[in-house]
Amino acid sequence: QKEVEQNSGPLSVPEGAIASLNCTYSDRGSQSFFWYRQYSGKSPELIMFIYSNGDKEDGRFTAQLNKASQYVSLLIRDSQPSDSATYLCAVNNAGTASKLTFGTGTRLQVTL
Amino acid sequence: DAGVIQSPRHEVTEMGQEVTLRCKPISGHDYLFWYRQTMMRGLELLIYFNNNVPIDDSGMPEDRFSAKMPNASFSTLKIQPSEPRDSAVYFCASSPGLAVYNEQFFGPGTRLTVL
Repeated sequence: QKEVEQNSGPLSVPEGAIASLNCTYSDRGSQSFFWYRQYSGKSPELIMFIYSNGDKEDGRFTAQLNKASQYVSLLIRDSQPSDSATYLCAVNNAGTASKLTFGTGTRLQVTL
Repeated sequence: DAGVIQSPRHEVTEMGQEVTLRCKPISGHDYLFWYRQTMMRGLELLIYFNNNVPIDDSGMPEDRFSAKMPNASFSTLKIQPSEPRDSAVYFCASSPGLAVYNEQFFGPGTRLTVL
């Protein structure tokens, strides 16, 4: 079983719609959860992090965490073509300090 | 700050040759990470350093890979001898310190092709 799992996609949504990206993880001791965005040919960049159960909103982005279900998601409201990218879920564990384990990413396509 | 700097940006080499990738982390960051990204395996952590000391190298695939951090502003990842299966994008990242939510800042990556 992979430590961090994501659907590879592509996930296709029309412009203006809500995109929902999902991630599950296997380590119950995981403390913090990160969403990185990676454009084709570029390096990953952090969008959001969350470490408490519930929702965390930042502009058009909302991260949702459910530790009991070992599930984290990212919602993108009013999706724009510029949101088309691969979204990487990353998980760390306080016992391993700064070490992150990444999922393989979900490719999002926002269509006009 | 210029961000994390990596060189070269592209490297094409022949099987059996030695390859050295270089990284300059963001000034003041205590942690440095080396990752490898492929389509099949995604982004994999190879090794990371704290204050120039290797902390976890469990992701280094085999003895052909080695990494050093001689000072706070420079790190190298060396592959000797290189093999075609080493072809990937290699990222260096740095982080300011130990925290539950510490962000890792990635360099632009080095695209390695081993023929």
